[in-house]
Amino acid sequence: GDSVTQMEGPVTLSEEAFLTINCTYTATGYPSLFWYVQYPGEGLQLLLKATKADDKGSNKGFEATYRKETTSFHLEKGSVQVSDSAVYFCALSENTGGFKTIFGAGTRLFVKA
Amino acid sequence: DARVTQTPRDKVTEMGQEVTMRCQPILGHNTVFWYRQTMMQGLELLAYFRNRAPLDDSGMPKDRFSAEMPDATLATLKIQPSEPRDSAVYFCASGGDRGEAFFGQGTRLTVV
Repeated sequence: GDSVTQMEGPVTLSEEAFLTINCTYTATGYPSLFWYVQYPGEGLQLLLKATKADDKGSNKGFEATYRKETTSFHLEKGSVQVSDSAVYFCALSENTGGFKTIFGAGTRLFVKA
Repeated sequence: DARVTQTPRDKVTEMGQEVTMRCQPILGHNTVFWYRQTMMQGLELLAYFRNRAPLDDSGMPKDRFSAEMPDATLATLKIQPSEPRDSAVYFCASGGDRGEAFFGQGTRLTVV
């Protein structure tokens, strides 16, 4: 079945450092790919998405490119802030008669001032 | 501002009691998901519905859990009888035809 694998955390960075969180997926068809973010005590929020190969999703300085050849969707940000501290989830969604969304395990990011 | 509403936000109950969690999806969304989040297992998909019909509930323990959508504005997740291992945060999410999921704030369940 479909699955999503992302790098284990926690990831600890200093403010203004470069961020990469790796994500790879397996899917039978052509899924849409997503990154979600979860702040403490809240539900997940959509951060960015890409719906087809070579698409780049971006939002709030975060970017991820849909790489079909490597089945990857790595999250990047050039300069992180303390307020980016959260848990980040990679996810895929495939139309199998309904959009079933599968999440990775999540990667916790700590950003130090 | 459209959002998914879950009630209650917190629930503490004794082992063996019935627990019902409710979710109001975003108006117009045709897909509803129930997820369970724990430190050990992460985010698990319990069940999901499309146009109120259950499409997949393979992630749900059938002997004690049940999920329903009595109408388009209400989804319920019931546990009977509850056990301490059911303690977790339960999220409802809804989505349309773009694959995106919009999450509620969750119900934190503690079974003692």
